Amino acid sequence: GAVVSQHPSWVICKSGTSVKIECRSLDFQATTMFWYRQFPKQSLMLMATSNEGSKATYEQGVEKDKFLINHASLTLSTLTVTSAHPEDSSFYICSASKGLPYEQYFGPGTRLTVT
Amino acid sequence: GNSVTQMEGPVTLSEEAFLTINCTYTATGYPSLFWYVQYPGEGLQLLLKATKADDKGSNKGFEATYRKETTSFHLEKGSVQVSDSAVYFCARMDSNYQLIWGAGTKLIIKP
Repeated sequence: GAVVSQHPSWVICKSGTSVKIECRSLDFQATTMFWYRQFPKQSLMLMATSNEGSKATYEQGVEKDKFLINHASLTLSTLTVTSAHPEDSSFYICSASKGLPYEQYFGPGTRLTVT
Repeated sequence: GNSVTQMEGPVTLSEEAFLTINCTYTATGYPSLFWYVQYPGEGLQLLLKATKADDKGSNKGFEATYRKETTSFHLEKGSVQVSDSAVYFCARMDSNYQLIWGAGTKLIIKP
């Protein structure tokens, strides 16, 4: 158990458009979901933490108006990159927690390329 | 500052070789420490953890010991297999219960 999926696995979009990435916990209810960004050969950077039904908590330096997070249910969180620019190109990873903060179950990631 | 540093990869070994991937951390106090693994095409998975000094985490033949004297949590395995090829991430928990990550070490095992 404890499977997390992400969709799409990769996406290419044009500069100025918006892209939505979905994160789903398939066989458990996630009290908390996390969104990370990973640059090549660098560590995961936590972008935001979200609990179902409440506003996401963004890390310092992450623009909440640009990276919109919606956690509408206990099994689904979405990240929308608005007005994407080439510098937003990255690998976005979500994770979901049943309760214990270190027991995060990770999705396989989404590769975003903005042209 | 508070960070996690792990050895830069890729690390390439032959099957049945001994593996060590170094990880050191900086933090106040004694944070919980973790190793995560990411197999090709899959999401990160918790491999093992240690929550206090001198604890040893182990799983799937991998071990790591929490050394507060050297602020280290090196990952070891006595005899690696091709199936161990993956990216390994060291992490520690901060005071807000968030994970602070190392950059990851890619491990390549050749038959």
